[in-house]
Amino acid sequence: EPEVTQTPSHQVTQMGQEVILRCVPISNHLYFYWYRQILGQKVEFLVSFYNNEISEKSEIFDDQFSVERPDGSNFTLKIRSTKLEDSAMYFCASSPTPRTDTQYFGPGTRLTVL
Amino acid sequence: GESVGLHLPTLSVQEGDNSIINCAYSNSASDYFIWYKQESGKGPQFIIDIRSNMDKRQGQRVTVLLNKTVKHLSLQIAATQPGDSAVYFCAENQAGTALIFGKGTTLSVSS
Repeated sequence: EPEVTQTPSHQVTQMGQEVILRCVPISNHLYFYWYRQILGQKVEFLVSFYNNEISEKSEIFDDQFSVERPDGSNFTLKIRSTKLEDSAMYFCASSPTPRTDTQYFGPGTRLTVL
Repeated sequence: GESVGLHLPTLSVQEGDNSIINCAYSNSASDYFIWYKQESGKGPQFIIDIRSNMDKRQGQRVTVLLNKTVKHLSLQIAATQPGDSAVYFCAENQAGTALIFGKGTTLSVSS
């Protein structure tokens, strides 16, 4: 069964450093998403992406964040200058279409900012 | 306030019991709802979904009920097993592409 994959599984970085989180969505899906989950809290939407542009973004997704689909398979989330409060699990998801199609989640990347 | 939430943060059941996990939502415009299961250290795993034109949908050992009148969603798990122990989230799609998640209910199954 096809699944979303993410690398790395755990990323430790110093405050102020840039990080790039990588995702490979399910191959025939057209919509890609990033969510985050701070420890013990609910999953929060960050951004959705379709046809090489952002479809929707939340208030969390400020100028420090960017997304890119550098090739036909990868989808990345970049945080330019990490803050302590960026420490969280970051989940990538994909769906065939938005709105009424299930979003399938990857296993996540645990980001720890020191 | 939150758009989607669960009534109980924890639920403890015995193996073989039926479990019911509840969720209230506040946006009457939401038209798509999903239940996810999250095991420790893993991503949310799809369980079952329902669209607003339905009030019940059944899967394997799971049933989702949607009551649009009171804006209530529930997940029923039949013959709960220890492997069902996890955090369960309901999520709704209000408009656009984002899923809005509730806080989650931790289900503990003892054998």
